[in-house]
Amino acid sequence: QVQLVESGGGVVQPGRSLRLSCAASGFTFSSYAMHWVRQAPGKGLEWVAVISYDGSNKNYADSVKGRFTISRDNSKNTVYVQMNSLRVEDTAVYYCAKGSSVTEKRPFDHWGQGTLVTVSS
Amino acid sequence: DIQMTQSPSSLSASVGERVTITCRASQGISTYLAWYQQKPGKVPQLLIYAASTLQSGVPSRFSGSGSGTDFTLTISSLQPEDIATYYCQKYGSVPRTFGQGTKVEIK
Repeated sequence: QVQLVESGGGVVQPGRSLRLSCAASGFTFSSYAMHWVRQAPGKGLEWVAVISYDGSNKNYADSVKGRFTISRDNSKNTVYVQMNSLRVEDTAVYYCAKGSSVTEKRPFDHWGQGTLVTVSS
Repeated sequence: DIQMTQSPSSLSASVGERVTITCRASQGISTYLAWYQQKPGKVPQLLIYAASTLQSGVPSRFSGSGSGTDFTLTISSLQPEDIATYYCQKYGSVPRTFGQGTKVEIK
């Protein structure tokens, strides 16, 4: 069965950096785009970033563009998000989600359990 | 970017009542529309995709309709376990914008 397991969350001071990881299993990782979605405490879902199946294309929400970098290692079945210049408003649970295949646009049918990032001084 | 607007933001209904949530896209998105259910403290779960296709395992009391810019999620007979926040999302292109959510409570 498909599993997505995020790690790397924690408490960090404003302006500092953090890298989240999402380890995938149960599907052909290298055939799917992968996304990061976040949810601030008590708020709705916010799409953050996507990386194509082969890593050649990346897109970001305006709120994180220039500060966050998504990447993947298909040999390790893992997707990452490097978060720099963190702000208090980046505090959220960060989820990774399985996206579209090479041949088909797909919604998020599998999500990780999420990892909490708290940006606070 | 295309904006997704849900209404209402919250609703309260009785068990057995029919519930309807709407989602409007600021531009046409064909049927690249998904609905998710998020119960308190839980991970979002896919309910419906392609505007009207029920995800495997989702009860048949849930249904979706629409295309272009106007979409609807209907719960035909609200059950206590349906207490959750529901989100629509466009997924045909990036950004994969979500609606702001609709919180459903029992009256």
